[in-house]
Amino acid sequence: DQQVKQNSPSLSVQEGRISILNCDYTNSMFDYFLWYKKYPAEGPTFLISISSIKDKNEDGRFTVFLNKSAKHLSLHIVPSQPGDSAVYFCAAEIQGAQKLVFGQGTRLTINP
Amino acid sequence: DTAVSQTPKYLVTQMGNDKSIKCEQNLGHDTMYWYKQDSKKFLKIMFSYNNKELIINETVPNRFSPKSPDKAHLNLHINSLELGDSAVYFCASSQGVFQPQHFGDGTRLSIL
Repeated sequence: DQQVKQNSPSLSVQEGRISILNCDYTNSMFDYFLWYKKYPAEGPTFLISISSIKDKNEDGRFTVFLNKSAKHLSLHIVPSQPGDSAVYFCAAEIQGAQKLVFGQGTRLTINP
Repeated sequence: DTAVSQTPKYLVTQMGNDKSIKCEQNLGHDTMYWYKQDSKKFLKIMFSYNNKELIINETVPNRFSPKSPDKAHLNLHINSLELGDSAVYFCASSQGVFQPQHFGDGTRLSIL
């Protein structure tokens, strides 16, 4: 039972354009959402998070949007840079549960 | 200054052997975790410890035994290794709720 889904296994974007990565979840108890970035042979690196009381959180080039009614969140990267090429994981948590439920990841490739 | 460090990075061993993976964090976090990333790239929680006490055990076979000598360390012992144990194991740590988890670079375990 996959509670967090990233339906696009890969995404290719031109350098300088906007990258939009999507994530859907099924468990309405989730109240904290995170995006991680992962390079090969390294662990996931935390990028940005959002709690369920907000619908947007911005940090530099990265913005996360949360649509609770649609159980959907997205990560916007603008402008996209070659160093953004990596696998991006969406994750969700229920407060107090102290465990992350991950999506299966989307491989983002930024083309020069 | 590695925040979450795991050793070894690679572990190749025979079926039936017993092995250990070590994890240390220097972030002063109270909670530590073990995740398994399988061949399909899903990251799934195995265990979490808070101040040396087991909080989560996600129906992991009892051949897997975590041990936390202090809150900065969470080691994973695996007995009687099986082919299906081949995966990448990630250690992580965090401080409190609504705080991101920080991951180590993973240990790639290969069972021959």
